[in-house]
Amino acid sequence: QVQMVQSGAEVKEPGASLKVSCKASGYTFTTYYIHWLRQAPGQGLEWMGWIYPNTGGTNYAQRFQGRVTMTRDTSISTAYMDLSNLRSDDTAVYYCARDLHPWQVLRLFDSWGQGTLVTVSS
Amino acid sequence: EIVLTQSPATLSLSPGERATFSCRASQSVSTLLAWYQQKPGQAPRLLIYDASNRATGVPARFSGSGSGTDFTLTISSLEPEDFAVYYCQQRSNWVTFGQGTRLDIK
Repeated sequence: QVQMVQSGAEVKEPGASLKVSCKASGYTFTTYYIHWLRQAPGQGLEWMGWIYPNTGGTNYAQRFQGRVTMTRDTSISTAYMDLSNLRSDDTAVYYCARDLHPWQVLRLFDSWGQGTLVTVSS
Repeated sequence: EIVLTQSPATLSLSPGERATFSCRASQSVSTLLAWYQQKPGQAPRLLIYDASNRATGVPARFSGSGSGTDFTLTISSLEPEDFAVYYCQQRSNWVTFGQGTRLDIK
Protein backbone atom coordinates (compact mmCIF):
# COMPACT_ATOMS: atom_id res chain seq x y z
CA GLN A 1 0.00 0.00 0.00
CA VAL A 2 1.02 3.59 -0.54
CA GLN A 3 2.84 5.15 2.41
CA MET A 4 4.34 8.60 2.87
CA VAL A 5 6.52 8.77 5.98
CA GLN A 6 7.78 12.14 7.13
CA SER A 7 10.65 13.15 9.36
CA GLY A 8 10.10 14.01 13.00
CA ALA A 9 9.09 17.14 14.85
CA GLU A 10 11.45 20.10 14.88
CA VAL A 11 11.95 23.21 17.00
CA LYS A 12 13.62 26.11 15.24
CA GLU A 13 14.63 29.63 16.13
CA PRO A 14 13.42 32.60 14.09
CA GLY A 15 15.64 33.15 11.07
CA ALA A 16 16.72 29.51 10.87
CA SER A 17 16.02 27.08 8.04
CA LEU A 18 13.98 23.90 8.03
CA LYS A 19 14.23 20.69 6.03
CA VAL A 20 11.44 18.12 6.14
CA SER A 21 11.69 14.77 4.38
CA CYS A 22 8.95 12.55 2.97
CA LYS A 23 9.78 8.96 2.09
CA ALA A 24 7.37 7.30 -0.32
CA SER A 25 6.73 3.60 -0.73
CA GLY A 26 4.21 1.28 -2.32
CA TYR A 27 4.27 2.91 -5.77
CA THR A 28 6.68 4.15 -8.43
CA PHE A 29 8.07 7.34 -6.87
CA THR A 30 8.83 9.12 -10.14
CA THR A 31 5.34 8.91 -11.59
CA TYR A 32 3.32 11.02 -9.15
CA TYR A 33 3.55 14.68 -8.27
CA ILE A 34 4.19 15.34 -4.58
CA HIS A 35 2.75 18.39 -2.87
CA TRP A 36 3.61 20.12 0.35
CA LEU A 37 0.95 21.72 2.53
CA ARG A 38 0.86 23.09 6.03
CA GLN A 39 -1.67 23.68 8.78
CA ALA A 40 -1.09 26.20 11.55
CA PRO A 41 -2.42 25.21 15.00
CA GLY A 42 -6.20 25.20 14.98
CA GLN A 43 -6.26 26.62 11.46
CA GLY A 44 -7.05 25.50 7.95
CA LEU A 45 -4.85 24.07 5.24
CA GLU A 46 -2.40 25.97 3.06
CA TRP A 47 -0.80 24.65 -0.13
CA MET A 48 2.89 25.42 -0.57
CA GLY A 49 3.76 23.87 -3.92
CA TRP A 50 4.66 20.69 -5.76
CA ILE A 51 7.60 18.74 -7.08
CA TYR A 52 7.56 16.22 -9.91
CA PRO A 53 10.08 13.57 -8.89
CA ASN A 54 10.57 12.37 -12.47
CA THR A 55 12.15 15.64 -13.62
CA GLY A 56 12.70 17.58 -10.42
CA GLY A 57 10.42 20.30 -11.74
CA THR A 58 8.76 22.48 -9.12
CA ASN A 59 6.00 25.03 -8.76
CA TYR A 60 5.63 27.12 -5.63
CA ALA A 61 2.75 29.11 -4.23
CA GLN A 62 3.45 32.79 -4.65
CA ARG A 63 3.60 33.57 -0.95
CA PHE A 64 6.44 31.08 -0.46
CA GLN A 65 8.51 31.90 -3.53
CA GLY A 66 12.03 32.85 -2.56
CA ARG A 67 11.78 31.01 0.77
CA VAL A 68 10.87 27.45 -0.19
CA THR A 69 12.83 24.86 -2.13
CA MET A 70 11.52 21.40 -2.96
CA THR A 71 13.91 18.65 -4.01
CA ARG A 72 13.95 14.90 -4.32
CA ASP A 73 16.32 11.94 -4.21
CA THR A 74 14.94 9.28 -6.54
CA SER A 75 17.46 6.69 -5.31
CA ILE A 76 15.70 6.59 -1.95
CA SER A 77 12.20 7.68 -3.05
CA THR A 78 12.30 10.72 -0.82
CA ALA A 79 11.09 14.26 -1.31
CA TYR A 80 12.32 17.23 0.70
CA MET A 81 10.94 20.63 1.55
CA ASP A 82 13.28 23.40 2.68
CA LEU A 83 11.89 26.59 4.17
CA SER A 84 14.28 29.41 5.01
CA ASN A 85 14.16 32.51 7.20
CA LEU A 86 11.61 31.00 9.56
CA ARG A 87 9.19 33.21 11.46
CA SER A 88 6.89 32.47 14.35
CA ASP A 89 3.94 32.29 11.99
CA ASP A 90 5.62 29.37 10.21
CA THR A 91 4.74 27.26 13.24
CA ALA A 92 2.55 24.53 11.76
CA VAL A 93 2.18 20.89 10.89
CA TYR A 94 3.76 20.33 7.49
CA TYR A 95 2.39 17.59 5.25
CA CYS A 96 3.54 15.94 2.06
CA ALA A 97 0.79 14.49 -0.11
CA ARG A 98 0.76 12.54 -3.33
CA ASP A 99 -1.38 13.67 -6.22
CA LEU A 100 -4.35 11.55 -7.21
CA HIS A 101 -3.26 10.22 -10.61
CA PRO A 102 0.15 9.55 -12.15
CA TRP A 103 1.88 11.86 -14.62
CA GLN A 104 -0.62 14.69 -14.05
CA VAL A 105 -0.57 17.61 -11.69
CA LEU A 106 -4.20 17.58 -10.64
CA ARG A 107 -3.66 19.29 -7.27
CA LEU A 108 -5.80 16.65 -5.59
CA PHE A 109 -4.21 15.25 -2.45
CA ASP A 110 -4.77 11.56 -2.17
CA SER A 111 -2.15 9.93 0.07
CA TRP A 112 -0.74 12.00 2.90
CA GLY A 113 2.22 11.80 5.21
CA GLN A 114 1.58 11.76 8.93
CA GLY A 115 2.63 15.37 9.29
CA THR A 116 5.68 17.04 10.83
CA LEU A 117 5.14 19.54 13.63
CA VAL A 118 7.47 22.51 13.30
CA THR A 119 7.64 25.02 16.12
CA VAL A 120 9.40 28.33 15.53
CA SER A 121 10.27 30.01 18.79
CA SER A 122 13.11 31.83 20.43
CA GLU B 1 -6.84 34.43 -4.94
CA ILE B 2 -10.08 32.49 -4.88
CA VAL B 3 -11.63 32.60 -1.42
CA LEU B 4 -13.74 29.66 -0.30
CA THR B 5 -16.30 30.33 2.41
CA GLN B 6 -17.73 27.35 4.25
CA SER B 7 -20.93 27.31 6.26
CA PRO B 8 -21.89 26.68 8.89
CA ALA B 9 -18.76 26.89 11.02
CA THR B 10 -20.11 24.14 13.26
CA LEU B 11 -22.83 21.57 12.66
CA SER B 12 -24.27 19.60 15.59
CA LEU B 13 -26.14 16.47 14.59
CA SER B 14 -26.87 12.96 15.81
CA PRO B 15 -25.91 9.64 14.22
CA GLY B 16 -28.41 8.67 11.56
CA GLU B 17 -29.19 12.26 10.62
CA ARG B 18 -28.40 13.91 7.30
CA ALA B 19 -25.52 16.40 7.18
CA THR B 20 -25.23 19.17 4.61
CA PHE B 21 -22.12 21.31 4.22
CA SER B 22 -21.86 24.38 2.03
CA CYS B 23 -18.86 25.87 0.23
CA ARG B 24 -19.08 29.11 -1.73
CA ALA B 25 -16.31 30.38 -3.99
CA SER B 26 -15.53 34.06 -4.58
CA GLN B 27 -15.45 33.37 -8.33
CA SER B 28 -16.33 30.43 -10.53
CA VAL B 29 -14.21 27.32 -10.11
CA SER B 30 -16.27 25.30 -12.63
CA THR B 31 -16.41 21.85 -11.01
CA LEU B 32 -12.82 21.87 -9.81
CA LEU B 33 -13.77 21.52 -6.17
CA ALA B 34 -12.84 18.79 -3.69
CA TRP B 35 -13.85 17.87 -0.16
CA TYR B 36 -11.64 16.47 2.59
CA GLN B 37 -12.35 15.02 6.02
CA GLN B 38 -9.92 15.55 8.89
CA LYS B 39 -10.05 13.89 12.29
CA PRO B 40 -8.06 15.17 15.29
CA GLY B 41 -4.36 14.37 15.03
CA GLN B 42 -4.71 12.94 11.54
CA ALA B 43 -3.96 14.09 8.03
CA PRO B 44 -6.89 15.04 5.83
CA ARG B 45 -8.58 12.41 3.70
CA LEU B 46 -9.81 13.07 0.17
CA LEU B 47 -13.54 12.34 -0.06
CA ILE B 48 -14.88 14.00 -3.20
CA TYR B 49 -13.14 15.52 -6.21
CA ASP B 50 -14.38 17.46 -9.21
CA ALA B 51 -17.49 18.36 -7.24
CA SER B 52 -19.19 14.97 -7.34
CA ASN B 53 -16.71 12.12 -7.78
CA ARG B 54 -16.12 9.92 -4.76
CA ALA B 55 -12.50 9.00 -4.10
CA THR B 56 -11.55 5.35 -3.86
CA GLY B 57 -12.92 3.67 -0.76
CA VAL B 58 -15.25 6.50 0.24
CA PRO B 59 -18.65 5.20 1.35
CA ALA B 60 -21.68 5.91 -0.80
CA ARG B 61 -23.33 7.94 1.97
CA PHE B 62 -20.97 10.79 0.98
CA SER B 63 -22.03 12.79 -2.06
CA GLY B 64 -21.11 16.11 -3.58
CA SER B 65 -22.84 18.50 -5.91
CA GLY B 66 -22.57 21.96 -7.38
CA SER B 67 -20.75 23.96 -9.99
CA GLY B 68 -19.56 27.49 -10.50
CA THR B 69 -19.54 29.11 -7.09
CA ASP B 70 -21.88 27.01 -4.92
CA PHE B 71 -21.13 23.50 -3.73
CA THR B 72 -22.60 21.04 -1.27
CA LEU B 73 -21.28 17.97 0.51
CA THR B 74 -23.97 15.68 1.88
CA ILE B 75 -23.69 12.76 4.26
CA SER B 76 -26.97 10.90 3.91
CA SER B 77 -26.99 9.15 7.29
CA LEU B 78 -24.28 9.95 9.82
CA GLU B 79 -22.14 7.20 11.23
CA PRO B 80 -20.15 7.70 14.48
CA GLU B 81 -16.88 7.86 12.53
CA ASP B 82 -18.10 10.79 10.41
CA PHE B 83 -17.73 13.37 13.18
CA ALA B 84 -14.75 15.42 12.06
CA VAL B 85 -13.81 18.66 10.32
CA TYR B 86 -14.63 19.01 6.62
CA TYR B 87 -12.73 21.24 4.20
CA CYS B 88 -13.43 22.24 0.63
CA GLN B 89 -10.56 22.94 -1.79
CA GLN B 90 -10.47 24.51 -5.24
CA ARG B 91 -7.90 23.81 -7.92
CA SER B 92 -9.21 26.12 -10.63
CA ASN B 93 -6.70 28.86 -9.86
CA TRP B 94 -3.73 27.63 -7.84
CA VAL B 95 -5.03 25.94 -4.65
CA THR B 96 -7.02 27.32 -1.77
CA PHE B 97 -9.02 25.75 1.02
CA GLY B 98 -12.05 26.82 2.95
CA GLN B 99 -11.76 27.42 6.67
CA GLY B 100 -13.57 24.20 7.52
CA THR B 101 -16.86 23.06 9.07
CA ARG B 102 -16.72 21.11 12.31
CA LEU B 103 -19.30 18.32 12.60
CA ASP B 104 -20.02 17.63 16.26
CA ILE B 105 -22.13 14.98 17.93
CA LYS B 106 -25.32 16.48 19.31
